[in-house]
Amino acid sequence: KQEVTQIPAALSVPEGENLVLNCSFTDSAIYNLQWFRQDPGKGLTSLLLIQSSQREQTSGRLNASLDKSSGRSTLYIAASQPGDSATYLCAVRWGAQKLVFGQGTRLTINP
Amino acid sequence: EAQVTQNPRYLITVTGKKLTVTCSQNMNHEYMSWYRQDPGLGLRQIYYSMNVEVTDKGDVPEGYKVSRKEKRNFPLILESPSPNQTSLYFCASSLLAVPRGETQYFGPGTRLLVL
Repeated sequence: KQEVTQIPAALSVPEGENLVLNCSFTDSAIYNLQWFRQDPGKGLTSLLLIQSSQREQTSGRLNASLDKSSGRSTLYIAASQPGDSATYLCAVRWGAQKLVFGQGTRLTINP
Repeated sequence: EAQVTQNPRYLITVTGKKLTVTCSQNMNHEYMSWYRQDPGLGLRQIYYSMNVEVTDKGDVPEGYKVSRKEKRNFPLILESPSPNQTSLYFCASSLLAVPRGETQYFGPGTRLLVL
């Protein structure tokens, strides 16, 4: 069964710290992996999309890596800010119509 | 502004009373999809559509219907809602009919409570 797991479910860190969010998946035959941000009362916002042939993607203070062989992806957030507080979701696309989400990591950045 | 819109944003209804949640995108996307999000279960796909008049079941289609008569609209229909359909619903769209390589854009969500 194709599954996506995110650990921990919640994370709280002081402002300014660098942090890593983890995502693991069960089947390495993926099309791509995507990280989303979800804010309360709002929809999902795409942060980074990594194709299966890529190892990482960067956008500003965010860097996402992909290791298909080990079934892992990490989202690195540099110099965290209170505005980074949100739930972060990892989603893996295995087939054209098969997008599977993890349950998310709720991140709180404390001023 | 490019966006996916959903209406209503919040809805309280009673068991068995038919309802429709609308979804519209203004990006000329071919692919549209509905998800539900439940605590502990994450987002699960209900139905998707690759183009006008082309729809198919996702992982949890029971109790739902969809239609795609126009490219921009993809309504979700609950013919006889039950309390286990209480959830947060998201509509999403992608440019291509087979969205392998690009991102999906999500609507703001519709929170449904079925009493």
